[in-house]
Amino acid sequence: DVKVTQSSRYLVKRTGEKVFLECVQDMDHENMFWYRQDPGLGLRLIYFSYDVKMKEKGDIPEGYSVSREKKERFSLILESASTNQTSMYLCASNSRGYEQYFGPGTRLTVT
Amino acid sequence: GEDVEQSLFLSVREGDSSVINCTYTDSSSTYLYWYKQEPGAGLQLLTYIFSNMDMKQDQRLTVLLNKKDKHLSLRIADTQTGDSAIYFCAEKNNFNKFYFGSGTKLNVKP
Repeated sequence: DVKVTQSSRYLVKRTGEKVFLECVQDMDHENMFWYRQDPGLGLRLIYFSYDVKMKEKGDIPEGYSVSREKKERFSLILESASTNQTSMYLCASNSRGYEQYFGPGTRLTVT
Repeated sequence: GEDVEQSLFLSVREGDSSVINCTYTDSSSTYLYWYKQEPGAGLQLLTYIFSNMDMKQDQRLTVLLNKKDKHLSLRIADTQTGDSAIYFCAEKNNFNKFYFGSGTKLNVKP
């Protein structure tokens, strides 16, 4: 059974902290994605990666960076968390196939 | 990015049919998808349609695609309370980029 896991389901951080969100997939997928989900806005792409050490900016990369040192792991980094980064963060992966597989999400609150 | 639009809410009675609509702007879409998100969970693929098809049926689900109008719909027959969720329309283009709508929250009343 395919699996995308995210390191935390819920996270509470303070403004200015550095935050790491981890995502791991066990399907040997080349492509991995980070989205944020906000009510009424749907999913917005932050960054994606199509290979190890490769990354591309999505539609809203400001305030975020990513790291892909191994094929199965894609990390999202908030260098200095701000309250407007309070959101649900979803990781996904796919191969050249038609479907993205999603993790369960991390609900991040920045106070 | 490309625009994918959906209405935010739909309310139906148990046993009725639900129709969720979506419009998109990218004419280079290769696949179009419907995902379901239950409370506290990630997105789960429900069904998809290739852009050169106009209809796909899968048990209680029927997907209709009008490529000329860039309109996609999902019909759920005999809607059950377990179908209550948020439904996302999404498209994939030639560059493996996915664009999602805002999601339609389906409320099924018993």
